[in-house]
Amino acid sequence: GAGVSQSPSNKVTEKGKDVELRCDPISGHTALYWYRQRLGQGLEFLIYFQGNSAPDKSGLPSDRFSAERTGESVSTLTIQRTQQEDSAVYLCASSLEEGNTEAFFGQGTRLTVV
Amino acid sequence: SQQGEEDPQALSIQEGENATMNCSYKTSINNLQWYRQNSGRGLVHLILIRSNEREKHSGRLRVTLDTSKKSSSLLITASRAADTASYFCATDEYSGAGSYQLTFGKGTKLSVIP
Repeated sequence: GAGVSQSPSNKVTEKGKDVELRCDPISGHTALYWYRQRLGQGLEFLIYFQGNSAPDKSGLPSDRFSAERTGESVSTLTIQRTQQEDSAVYLCASSLEEGNTEAFFGQGTRLTVV
Repeated sequence: SQQGEEDPQALSIQEGENATMNCSYKTSINNLQWYRQNSGRGLVHLILIRSNEREKHSGRLRVTLDTSKKSSSLLITASRAADTASYFCATDEYSGAGSYQLTFGKGTKLSVIP
């Protein structure tokens, strides 16, 4: 596709369950970001992948959160043992390279933990 | 941490008026970007200004950058109801983990009244 694709667009899960969110970046984009946005708030950085370098995981809020990326393609964000405070929109973005180019965002996954 | 901080947090103007939003940041940057977000979903890139530039125009948008004050402003001229959205600035902040994070502020919520 032409843009960044995220799935599912909405996810309702019970507290304590694991969830997996998927991001398909734009083909050829080496940089991929995950952000979390709570209602009415700004974007909270979670993790950043750049090519084959080790990911920058400095924004992950707890060890319940993890993310993987296969080469320069699909990325998955996994949240284990979900809590109500994990409810938010999770946004993925990709860019051609680190630093100097615009980021293209997916439409996000709205996660609701009940 | 939030590198960019926008103000005001919310702005309400009449259609046809100009809207000015400001962004401050803390560390040195390579570039600063402005994004727009409708309805809490994906962000759309508006404009990028490099650290060696002072002003940039794109259509009804005008961005300034003052690196000595670590601040930027976004001006939307002749506003329209369709400009109603949240606006975020983003900077590339060195994470200390060998990469540059694209870090967003908390945003300004603009309402343009017809």
